[in-house]
Amino acid sequence: NAGVTQTPKFRVLKTGQSMTLLCAQDMNHEYMYWYRQDPGMGLRLIHYSVGEGTTAKGEVPDGYNVSRLKKQNFLLGLESAAPSQTSVYFCASSSGAEPYNEQFFGPGTRLTVL
Amino acid sequence: GQNIDQPTEMTATEGAIVQINCTYQTSGFNGLFWYQQHAGEAPTFLSYNVLDGLEEKGRFSSFLSRSKGYSYLLLKELQMKDSASYLCAVEDSNYQLIWGAGTKLIIKP
Repeated sequence: NAGVTQTPKFRVLKTGQSMTLLCAQDMNHEYMYWYRQDPGMGLRLIHYSVGEGTTAKGEVPDGYNVSRLKKQNFLLGLESAAPSQTSVYFCASSSGAEPYNEQFFGPGTRLTVL
Repeated sequence: GQNIDQPTEMTATEGAIVQINCTYQTSGFNGLFWYQQHAGEAPTFLSYNVLDGLEEKGRFSSFLSRSKGYSYLLLKELQMKDSASYLCAVEDSNYQLIWGAGTKLIIKP
């Protein structure tokens, strides 16, 4: 099992460019999440999904869009990148099962917006 | 507002014991998680507490006091590979994780 994978691992964009980050999981998990991690701050939830075809906003959704057309994939889009979106992006998935909802993380995408 | 506080950085000696504290104020509480994150890598799950008390898992233990909004992670017999950041996260009433900024643990020989 590959677990959670993310594509690409690194990316440099110019302000105003667009891109899509791909997350894939092979654990048949219902829940998927996109976080960003910035120095000195905790992980912040951008968007999440509780199942195929569903998405919801997290703490910092502005400037991002997501789609979950297939259960195993969760895409994060930046329509018009801004320097404030320079960050490390982590995707995670979880089963939602008892006794606790452990999240499994991908290796991250390091994005720089110039 | 929701807030998770933990020390920014701690230093300990190989073979020793270290305690990393976490205090929280959140809208609801459905459990507290500790994750380990090595530099440049993804967070990985360490422990979960939902009831008061101590949960032990090998060299690592985690304690919770819900009335005090307080948890700690105890690492025994420290090894160099334990050098990492330790993230405290609380699952709130919406079943979303609220994360602390993490504690960077430096192990010295």
